[in-house]
Amino acid sequence: SQQGEEDPQALSIQEGENATMNCSYKTSINNLQWYRQNSGRGLVHLILIRSNEREKHSGRLRVTLDTSKKSSSLLITASRAADTASYFCATDPGNNRLAFGKGNQVVVIP
Amino acid sequence: DAGVIQSPRHEVTEMGQEVTLRCKPISGHNSLFWYRQTMMRGLELLIYFNNNVPIDDSGMPEDRFSAKMPNASFSTLKIQPSEPRDSAVYFCASSLGDSGNTIYFGEGSWLTVV
Repeated sequence: SQQGEEDPQALSIQEGENATMNCSYKTSINNLQWYRQNSGRGLVHLILIRSNEREKHSGRLRVTLDTSKKSSSLLITASRAADTASYFCATDPGNNRLAFGKGNQVVVIP
Repeated sequence: DAGVIQSPRHEVTEMGQEVTLRCKPISGHNSLFWYRQTMMRGLELLIYFNNNVPIDDSGMPEDRFSAKMPNASFSTLKIQPSEPRDSAVYFCASSLGDSGNTIYFGEGSWLTVV
């Protein structure tokens, strides 16, 4: 099954800075989703972007999707300490079975 | 809405014992998923139910694992007998409809087999 791969694996930034994470995948998709996981907690859905969409915004989050390059990026603007978490991309080929990447650890330093 | 509810949140058991994890999906959702998360393998889909019917169980590791969904509001994942390598976080998730809808995760069941 296909699997998203996030890059970079770990990111440490100062509060107020922007954080950008990339995700690449191998096969065709119906949609791509980003999730956040705080330490010891479950996954929280952030954004879903469909294969016919190129960009989506939700608050301080901006997601782009380039299906020709099979890649997506997640931008968190004006980061806060509360944004410290692991971020996962997950691809759905159209059969409702999400395939997750290994995750991207983001640490926001106050 | 209460979200996806899982129990137990934490369980420590001895090798060879039976483990039963429980899940209550969000009311009205007709798709239910069991995922397993480990440091080595990340998040893996174990089984996917739609309208209480198992659609894809190709991710179930071996015969020691079984999952049931007797009705729309309850599912179990059972491991018998458990082994130390089964130690992981097991997540239940649910969604409405088919592909393209948000999948909501529970807080997970943290299993340690000693």
